[in-house]
Amino acid sequence: DQQVKQNSPSLSVQEGRISILNCDYTNSMFDYFLWYKKYPAEGPTFLISISSIKDKNEDGRFTVFLNKSAKHLSLHIVPSQPGDSAVYFCAARMKTSYDKVIFGPGTSLSVIP
Amino acid sequence: SQTIHQWPATLVQPVGSPLSLECTVEGTSNPNLYWYRQAAGRGLQLLFYSVGIGQISSEVPQNLSASRPQDRQFILSSKKLLLSDSGFYLCAWSQTGGVQPQHFGDGTRLSIL
Repeated sequence: DQQVKQNSPSLSVQEGRISILNCDYTNSMFDYFLWYKKYPAEGPTFLISISSIKDKNEDGRFTVFLNKSAKHLSLHIVPSQPGDSAVYFCAARMKTSYDKVIFGPGTSLSVIP
Repeated sequence: SQTIHQWPATLVQPVGSPLSLECTVEGTSNPNLYWYRQAAGRGLQLLFYSVGIGQISSEVPQNLSASRPQDRQFILSSKKLLLSDSGFYLCAWSQTGGVQPQHFGDGTRLSIL
């Protein structure tokens, strides 16, 4: 049972346009959400996060929106650049005896020059 | 600054052979440590986590084990590898306290023949 879903395996966007990556979750116990970016043959790198008590967090070209009632979050990249081409993982944290983080399957973003 | 080292980058092993993957973190003390596996088309699956020396918890039953002999050293092992152990293995660390993102190593691509 996937608790964190990314229903689009891949996405192509023209350079300069907006990239929107979507993520849905099922567990209302998640209190923090994170986005990671991964290049081939490398480990994921942390990109941006949002607390469940907020609905928006912005960092430069990256903005994450959270719709708690819909259990949905999205990552917006504006403007998209070719260097943004990577796999993006949505992740959700549940506070247990440790920081239990559940990752989605990832969306592969291609930004076309 | 903190860094995480994971090696080897790639490994080809025969079925039934032992395994030892090592991960070390520098620049921090008493981190939380994690081992993940990424299967094709799937998100990162947490295998083991550790909140301190000698403290290991397993998320899923499997053919693998983990050990933390020193504060910043995390080892993933197997006595006898199975074909199904093939995959991309990632080590990660996070600070304790508050909501802290996880920071990943570059991973080990393990192929079992």
